[in-house]
Parts: sequence; C-alpha cells; structure tokens
Amino acid sequence: DARVTQTPRHKVTEMGQEVTMRCQPILGHNTVFWYRQTMMQGLELLAYFRNRAPLDDSGMPKDRFSAEMPDATLATLKIQPSEPRDSAVYFCASGPLSYEQYFGPGTRLTVT
Amino acid sequence: AQSVSQHNHHVILSEAASLELGCNYSYGGTVNLFWYVQYPGQHLQLLLKYFSGDPLVKGIKGFEAEFIKSKFSFNLRKPSVQWSDTAEYFCAVIKLSNDYKLSFGAGTTVTVRA
Repeated sequence: DARVTQTPRHKVTEMGQEVTMRCQPILGHNTVFWYRQTMMQGLELLAYFRNRAPLDDSGMPKDRFSAEMPDATLATLKIQPSEPRDSAVYFCASGPLSYEQYFGPGTRLTVT
Repeated sequence: AQSVSQHNHHVILSEAASLELGCNYSYGGTVNLFWYVQYPGQHLQLLLKYFSGDPLVKGIKGFEAEFIKSKFSFNLRKPSVQWSDTAEYFCAVIKLSNDYKLSFGAGTTVTVRA
C-alpha cells in the first residue's frame, strides 16, 4: 500500500531557527503539493510541482519559505528564519495526473 | 477565483442518524470534485471523487455524494452514521484544465454521539 511519507512528524524549534521538512511522494506520481493547516486559516496551498518543476508557489511567503524537488523521490519545504506564526501542521500530497491527491501524515511544527 | 463553501461548521448527531453535508462551489466551468475526511490527529484521506458520468458517486465507509451541476453542489451523505465517523470533512474542487490545484472548503466538524 503506497503512501506519502513525511519527516519529521513533529518539530519544536525556537524562533529564528531554520526548519526543513521532507516529503517522499508516492512512486510514479507526477504532482507534489505542500499545504499548511491551522485552526484560523484552515488548509492553505503553499506550493505545487509537476514533474519536479515548480508551477505555483504564490501561497508561500517568499522571504522565508522555499520549496524544492531535488529529485523525483524527495520534496523539501524550508523555513528560514522561522517565526511563531509558522506553527502549523504542514502536509505534503502527491498525485498522478488524474487530479487525485494523496496526503502524507503531516509535520506538526511548533515555533517558540 | 473559485471558492468552495461548506454550509455547516459543526454538526452534532447521534449514532444511526443520517448525515448530509452541503458543499457549493462558485466556478462556472467543468470541475472535478472531492470529499476528504480527516480523523482526529490524522491526515486527510480521500472519501470519494467525481470526475464525470453518474452524478451519484459512492465512496468508502458507506458515504455517497451527489453532483448537481445546476446547483453547483456536491453534497455528502451517509444514511446511518457511527461513532467512528467523528471527524472533519472537507469538500474540494479542481478546475478541469491544466491546473491541479485543489481548492478546499473550510471543513465541517462532525461529532457523533454514542
């Protein structure tokens, strides 16, 4: 049963520190998405890739967030420097080109 | 820009009651429609999807949804809920073009009392 995996599952860090979250999409999926979920804002799309190329990162604060896909098996989301308002659950999702998306377990980030 | 509206923020009901969650979208073109479920502390899981064909789609765990194009709606139903259906439910829409972005509704929290 193929699944999207994310690491770490939990991260507690201090304000100003760099945070890197990793995602392994399901093998063969062409699209990868990063979402952020908070109580106040719900689910927000941060960035997405198709065939490893970034298609849209308009949902991401550009000054501190960056998303990359160094290869087909790894997507990363980096925050530098982190701030308390970045505390949220970050989900990665991948999908084939049939528009379905399969979500990973998420990374729960707490910035103190 | 398309938006997705879920009518109820929180629904509380007893086991064996019927459930219907409303979802409307504002985009006028052809869309793909989804319902996702998020159990407490877990990730989103796909319940069901509509791409084309029969507007009544059946998903996992006894859920079904009906696409009514004229009403821009995709309501989720379950005839008899169980305590284990306690979760948050999200409606989502993709514009059918070369755009893979899901637009999510705000979610409906469903609490089923034993």
